[in-house]
Amino acid sequence: GESVGLHLPTLSVQEGDNSIINCAYSNSASDYFIWYKQESGKGPQFIIDIRSNMDKRQGQRVTVLLNKTVKHLSLQIAATQPGDSAVYFCAENPEAYNQGGKLIFGQGTELSVKP
Amino acid sequence: KAGVTQTPRYLIKTRGQQVTLSCSPISGHRSVSWYQQTPGQGLQFLFEYFSETQRNKGNFPGRFSGRQFSNSRSEMNVSTLELGDSALYLCASSPYGPRDEQYFGPGTRLTVT
Repeated sequence: GESVGLHLPTLSVQEGDNSIINCAYSNSASDYFIWYKQESGKGPQFIIDIRSNMDKRQGQRVTVLLNKTVKHLSLQIAATQPGDSAVYFCAENPEAYNQGGKLIFGQGTELSVKP
Repeated sequence: KAGVTQTPRYLIKTRGQQVTLSCSPISGHRSVSWYQQTPGQGLQFLFEYFSETQRNKGNFPGRFSGRQFSNSRSEMNVSTLELGDSALYLCASSPYGPRDEQYFGPGTRLTVT
């Protein structure tokens, strides 16, 4: 079936360290991927996206890596801060749905930053 | 610029009743998507509307329906509520679709007793 799964449900890091959150996807037809951050009581917030013609994309303190060979996506957060504590979701948009709004979300990883 | 708003924020209904949730997208956004979020199933796509037309639908029973108005505001309706419908219902808006940056609302927390 359609699924985007995460390797670890929880991740605890020390403030200032780098964080790596992983995601495996199963739909080979997916060609667009997004990472979202969801804080308690709020809706998901867009962090960064990447298309399948790229293998790396950098934003402010975040980097997304895409390995299409093994269908793996990762989000790297540099110098993790307490404000980064949240649940992180990866999502994929299969090409067939690029105008249909369908995002397939992973289960989420809860990131906890220790001061 | 105002964000995506959803009303009501919290709702308690009884099994068998129906419910209507509302979503007001960011001004100028024409695409509105709805998602159901539960601890067990995570975020699951319900449907997406663009210019009053449903472009895609997720794997939910026909009890779940929606519509979009000419001002891009959207509503979703769940009829004959079941206990398993208890969830956070999120809507997201974007200018044209999921490959534009989607902005999510805070959600409506529905509890079915």
